[in-house]
Amino acid sequence: GQQVMQIPQYQHVQEGEDFTTYCNSSTTLSNIQWYKQRPGGHPVFLIQLVKSGEVKKQKRLTFQFGEAKKNSSLHITATQTTDVGTYFCAGNTNAGKSTFGDGTTLTVKP
Amino acid sequence: NAGVMQNPRHLVRRRGQEARLRCSPMKGHSHVYWYRQLPEEGLKFMVYLQKENIIDESGMPKERFSAEFPKEGPSILRIQQVVRGDSAAYFCASSPYTGNTEAFFGQGTRLTVV
Repeated sequence: GQQVMQIPQYQHVQEGEDFTTYCNSSTTLSNIQWYKQRPGGHPVFLIQLVKSGEVKKQKRLTFQFGEAKKNSSLHITATQTTDVGTYFCAGNTNAGKSTFGDGTTLTVKP
Repeated sequence: NAGVMQNPRHLVRRRGQEARLRCSPMKGHSHVYWYRQLPEEGLKFMVYLQKENIIDESGMPKERFSAEFPKEGPSILRIQQVVRGDSAAYFCASSPYTGNTEAFFGQGTRLTVV
């Protein structure tokens, strides 16, 4: 079945440093979504990427979808303590269900 | 427009008891997904339902677990004869269409089996 791998599992950064998490799918995706889960909270939708090679920005966050629509990345510039949490990618095919990566947990040291 | 409502938020069960987790999707959403999250782990897909139909239950354990989404009322995830290993956070998500759209998550039910 479809597999979605996400790396790294954990990332510890100093406040102000950049952060990147990578997502790779075993199959070509129709789209990919990114979610953020704060400690003790629930996943909250951040963005959806649909087109091959698509790049979207949300303030300090940059999301990319690979040309082959099998990989994606999330980059945060100049991290802040409010960025802490676990970032999940979710790969979608036309079958109707999302396959989540295991997430990257970001901690930010002030 | 209320978000996805899950209840209870916290549930404690003794081994061998039954756990019933409820999920009311957002208004107008007919697609419901259940995920399980073990401590320090990611979200594992369990089941995808539309009204009165199970579309994909490939992530559901073969025994003790069942799910339904009746024509009226919330979606129910039922775990019979719970064991310690069932302790986890169970999240429900809903969407208006198939999986190719944003999913809205509920706040989850934290199940503890003692």
